[in-house]
Amino acid sequence: GEQVEQLPSILRVQEGSSASINCTYENSASNYFPWYKQEPGENPKLIIDIRSNMERKQTQGLIVLLDKKAKRFSLHITDTQPGDSAMYFCAASRGSNAKLTFGKGTKLSVKS
Amino acid sequence: DPKIIQKPKYLVAVTGSEKILICEQYLGHNAMYWYRQSAKKPLEFMFSYSYQKLMDNQTASSRFQPQSSKKNHLDLQITALKPDDSATYFCASSQERLGGYEQYFGPGTRLTVL
Repeated sequence: GEQVEQLPSILRVQEGSSASINCTYENSASNYFPWYKQEPGENPKLIIDIRSNMERKQTQGLIVLLDKKAKRFSLHITDTQPGDSAMYFCAASRGSNAKLTFGKGTKLSVKS
Repeated sequence: DPKIIQKPKYLVAVTGSEKILICEQYLGHNAMYWYRQSAKKPLEFMFSYSYQKLMDNQTASSRFQPQSSKKNHLDLQITALKPDDSATYFCASSQERLGGYEQYFGPGTRLTVL
């Protein structure tokens, strides 16, 4: 199977600063790594993802890095805003139509 | 318009009863999934279907049975309900064609078993 470890479980940052969340995975066959944002009472929403043929991807203030050798990937949120406060989950899968194995989540709080 | 519909949004059941959770997606996707989220085990994969065929089952208990009557439907029947089944159940879907990996989640059904 696959195991995904996610740290930290709680992250508090000041508005305007950066926030970083790290995940590691075990199965070298995993090739797809999405990140989901979940607000209280809502469903997880896909915010950015990266495939194993890339090392870096950036979109609208979000950066994802993938280090396949270390089996590690990370989410970096630049210029955080209070609206970024939420639970964030990393996941890993073996690609198309494969199950997602999730980390336990990071609760991000952005203080203004 | 919501593209993935789950019904009901909230469900309260008594121990030992049976319930069916409904999921319909209008994204034109061929693959559908069920995930469960509780305080004890956040976002846990249960089942996946592709073209109405079971692809993967990570649920140990036979009390959980997915049912796919149409290609855009994947319902979840739960029998002999236990308090431990209390969780939010999310349906998700993805499109294998053109190498689509992204899975999109429905709004969820929050199940409470008393």
